[in-house]
Amino acid sequence: DQQVKQNSPSLSVQEGRISILNCDYTNSMFDYFLWYKKYPAEGPTFLISISSIKDKNEDGRFTVFLNKSAKHLSLHIVPSQPGDSAVYFCAASPGAQKLVFGQGTRLTINP
Amino acid sequence: GAGVSQSPSNKVTEKGKDVELRCDPISGHTALYWYRQRLGQGLEFLIYFQGNSAPDKSGLPSDRFSAERTGESVSTLTIQRTQQEDSAVYLCASSSGRLAGVEQYFGPGTRLTVT
Repeated sequence: DQQVKQNSPSLSVQEGRISILNCDYTNSMFDYFLWYKKYPAEGPTFLISISSIKDKNEDGRFTVFLNKSAKHLSLHIVPSQPGDSAVYFCAASPGAQKLVFGQGTRLTINP
Repeated sequence: GAGVSQSPSNKVTEKGKDVELRCDPISGHTALYWYRQRLGQGLEFLIYFQGNSAPDKSGLPSDRFSAERTGESVSTLTIQRTQQEDSAVYLCASSSGRLAGVEQYFGPGTRLTVT
């Protein structure tokens, strides 16, 4: 039972363009959503989050959008930079600290 | 201050042997989590400690897996009679343990290979 799904295992974007990573969830009890970035041989690092009472949160080049009715969230990175190449995980919290992660999307930024 | 540290970074063991993985959380973090990432898959929750409360063990895949935490510091994850399907990267994370949703800080992980 995959409660958090990232349907694109990989995404390739040209440097300077916008990267859009998508995530879908099934559990309506999730009330907090996070994006993590992971480089090889390192643990995931927190990127940006959004509470279910909001539909958008922005931090520099990173913006997360939440569509509760569609149970969908997305991460926009603009402009994309080579250092953004990594695996991105979305995660959701049902209000009990425990995070449920998606399978990850490998983003490659091409120069 | 220092981040979350884990040891060993790599562990190769023979099938049937027991292994212990260690996690040192960020000082002052009351919440500690263990996750597992198998090759090509997402992070799979294993167990969660919050202060002195009983741990949430709902993610442990079998009774061969157990974890302990000493107060609000070090945690060890023990896998008994390891099997090849236990091969994965085991990740530990900690958080301040306040309201739900606060971000978790991850260690670099322990890569376990069962031969």
